[in-house]
Amino acid sequence: EVQLVQSGAEVKKPGESLQISCKGSGYSFSNYWIGWVRQMPGKGLEWMGIIYPGDSDTRYSPSFQGQVTISADKSITTAYLQWSSLKASDTAMYYCARHSYCSSASCYNDFDHWGRGTLVTVSS
Amino acid sequence: EIVLTQSPGTLSLSPGERATLSCRASQSVNSRYLAWYHQKPGQAPRLLIYGASNRATGIPDRFSGSGSGTEFTLTISRLEPEDFAVYYCQQYDSSTLYTFGQGTNLEIK
Repeated sequence: EVQLVQSGAEVKKPGESLQISCKGSGYSFSNYWIGWVRQMPGKGLEWMGIIYPGDSDTRYSPSFQGQVTISADKSITTAYLQWSSLKASDTAMYYCARHSYCSSASCYNDFDHWGRGTLVTVSS
Repeated sequence: EIVLTQSPGTLSLSPGERATLSCRASQSVNSRYLAWYHQKPGQAPRLLIYGASNRATGIPDRFSGSGSGTEFTLTISRLEPEDFAVYYCQQYDSSTLYTFGQGTNLEIK
């Protein structure tokens, strides 16, 4: 069974750093892209970026480029989302999601499995 | 940048009724790269439809997707109580990469 287990809720102050995690299991972690999606309170879904754990190839949404860092450690099948200096506006639920399998012959570019989310609250 | 606009913003229907949700793209989208999700309160999104018309694993056949180019539709033939949720469309293109629509809230009338 494919599982994405995310780290627990965080409460931080503005200016603090943070790294949240997403551990994949039940599939070949290195061979599937992992994306991160933000959902601000009461709002919709925003794609932040995506990483291929096999070679750490990473792409960012222009809205999040330079604001966060996405990384992965394939040896422990875990992806990460990191902030160096949090703002109150970073308060949101953050989901990791596995991208559906892409081969050279076929790719649908959707997210077929999702973690339960990590709630990040930034408040002074 | 491709923008997805979903309509209506809120849809109020009763169990047993048919639901039709729309997703309009600002530019043509490859049908292979159009997906639908729903999200129940307090839960993560779940993939319903991929490639515009293919049901994801475990999705009942009352859900169907259609469309091409800039107009896509999700239809739920007979609403069950568990179908009331927020529905999102999502597309991929090589320049914007991934974008989501703003969502349609399907609520019980």
